[in-house]
Amino acid sequence: SQQGEEDPQALSIQEGENATMNCSYKTSINNLQWYRQNSGRGLVHLILIRSNEREKHSGRLRVTLDTSKKSSSLLITASRAADTASYFCATEGQAGTALIFGKGTTLSVSS
Amino acid sequence: DVKVTQSSRYLVKRTGEKVFLECVQDMDHENMFWYRQDPGLGLRLIYFSYDVKMKEKGDIPEGYSVSREKKERFSLILESASTNQTSMYLCATRTDRVEQYFGPGTRLTVT
Repeated sequence: SQQGEEDPQALSIQEGENATMNCSYKTSINNLQWYRQNSGRGLVHLILIRSNEREKHSGRLRVTLDTSKKSSSLLITASRAADTASYFCATEGQAGTALIFGKGTTLSVSS
Repeated sequence: DVKVTQSSRYLVKRTGEKVFLECVQDMDHENMFWYRQDPGLGLRLIYFSYDVKMKEKGDIPEGYSVSREKKERFSLILESASTNQTSMYLCATRTDRVEQYFGPGTRLTVT
């Protein structure tokens, strides 16, 4: 069963703009993670935020988590063409079971 | 660096064939996972394993089986391949409660 749902499904922006993607989930979690996938490749881990954290930064990435709304957002600042990829959120349940992934947001950054 | 390798990047098989997809990791991770990825459906968990000779069904195990005889190797088996198993297959590993590391994926076509 799909746990996370990303929104929007697709996003097109210009280089230099910020990109925001949202993720909603259904059940209580231990942590929420964001992954990136370049076309036809495996996924690469970007950032993890634990259930007791509200915000986390890593370089140009900023992730927020609102457990009361069961939602998270990923902000990429000053986007570059190289950020073009699909982005997935994934949640780990409190039982520590396998990560459950959403369907992803496809980001296209044009120069 | 964690390395997760998959036996083939591209594979073409005929309907009814038995297909083996191999995944090998070099980081002594306990947990290993098989996902399939289809357009519009995101990543769906097929099977996972948290120890040698242990396996758990994911969300879509029908038509698949797995084998984990050694800690570093996790095999996905399609007993009798069908056209609806044409997909991208992704292997991943992780230790408890941290990020997953993915292989490059195997794009399987069943004709």
